[in-house]
Amino acid sequence: DGGITQSPKYLFRKEGQNVTLSCEQNLNHDAMYWYRQDPGQGLRLIYYSQIVNDFQKGDIAEGYSVSREKKESFPLTVTSAQKNPTAFYLCASSVGSGISSYEQYFGPGTRLTVT
Amino acid sequence: AQSVAQPEDQVNVAEGNPLTVKCTYSVSGNPYLFWYVQYPNRGLQFLLKYITGDNLVKGSYGFEAEFNKSQTSFHLKKPSALVSDSALYFCAVRDWNDMRFGAGTRLTVKP
Repeated sequence: DGGITQSPKYLFRKEGQNVTLSCEQNLNHDAMYWYRQDPGQGLRLIYYSQIVNDFQKGDIAEGYSVSREKKESFPLTVTSAQKNPTAFYLCASSVGSGISSYEQYFGPGTRLTVT
Repeated sequence: AQSVAQPEDQVNVAEGNPLTVKCTYSVSGNPYLFWYVQYPNRGLQFLLKYITGDNLVKGSYGFEAEFNKSQTSFHLKKPSALVSDSALYFCAVRDWNDMRFGAGTRLTVKP
């Protein structure tokens, strides 16, 4: 899982509550990403950030928010507006973005269960 | 937009036999292709990538992948499978600002 940490590993919340997932990297990577993984659907991009203080929506950004105040940190907030928040969330980083040969490095993931 | 497809949800092989996990791609321009592996409740681990050059790319844990431009394929291979290779495998292609992943193929290696 390289130099990317995600916490907590498991998270349980009641419906209607916002929850924030942590992602920290010590790889000095500029780009960071949040993915959602559901069984049989692969990974879907929620948000990405190419540099500090800048981020862009991915394919499924509705009901989520992010911030990028520091290069090392890219927290994801799952809001009460997200209709089906129960999923496995993966954070990733890469040296750069754009069309490039840079691979992404992934954290260990956070499994969120909302009841 | 760039995309990849993994036509098999599940691949079963016997330990010691060769394995192949298939991936096809659709890109405009030169493809940057990747393979990742995921063990249960873990993040994805990078295995190998194709950028340019030799069509046979060697990666971690004895895996290799063959890039075939005419068939737009990038199949993952290993000459002799291990039970510990059992996992979920993802093919991916670099898009403008992110990575596009296939739906994944579950590989099961039986003793």
